[in-house]
Amino acid sequence: SQKIEQNSEALNIQEGKTATLTCNYTNYSPAYLQWYRQDPGRGPVFLLLIRENEKEKRKERLKVTFDTTLKQSLFHITASQPADSATYLCGGRNQAGTALIFGKGTTLSVSS
Amino acid sequence: NAGVMQNPRHLVRRRGQEARLRCSPMKGHSHVYWYRQLPEEGLKFMVYLQKENIIDESGMPKERFSAEFPKEGPSILRIQQVVRGDSAAYFCASSPGEEANTEAFFGQGTRLTVV
Repeated sequence: SQKIEQNSEALNIQEGKTATLTCNYTNYSPAYLQWYRQDPGRGPVFLLLIRENEKEKRKERLKVTFDTTLKQSLFHITASQPADSATYLCGGRNQAGTALIFGKGTTLSVSS
Repeated sequence: NAGVMQNPRHLVRRRGQEARLRCSPMKGHSHVYWYRQLPEEGLKFMVYLQKENIIDESGMPKERFSAEFPKEGPSILRIQQVVRGDSAAYFCASSPGEEANTEAFFGQGTRLTVV
């Protein structure tokens, strides 16, 4: 079945370092992938979208890559801050285009 | 422009009762998605609706669960005869269309507790 997987459930890093989160997809080829941030008790908030023909996209301290050979997207936060601590979700349309499906998310903790 | 509004934010139901969760999409959005989220788990897709139509309900249990998005009014997720296992956070998201480059806007969720 079509899956989006985020293999790291938790990532702990020190303030100022770069956080790198991984998203893999299996059994299909999404035309794009989206990244969301979710804080405890809140709904997800959209961060970035990258299309399969885009290698990289940036927004302030965020960078997303899309590697169709590895079937993988990487999400980077540079110069991380404690305020970046949250759960980050990777999502994409299913093959039929009828649903936006997500991985389980990676919980990032940035310590000062 | 108000965001996606879900109500109630918290809902407590006894086993066997019905739960009705409401979602008002952003103004101008005609596509609605419902998700369920359990602690330590990701967002599990349930159903995708357009005005008056169910497009994909492959993630919704066949029994006791139903969803609608009428021409007028909010989208409703209905759970009949609730059981303890239905306790979860239910999120609604809306988008203006189904185009590939469309982001989804989420509500703050309804936390259902079945006692």
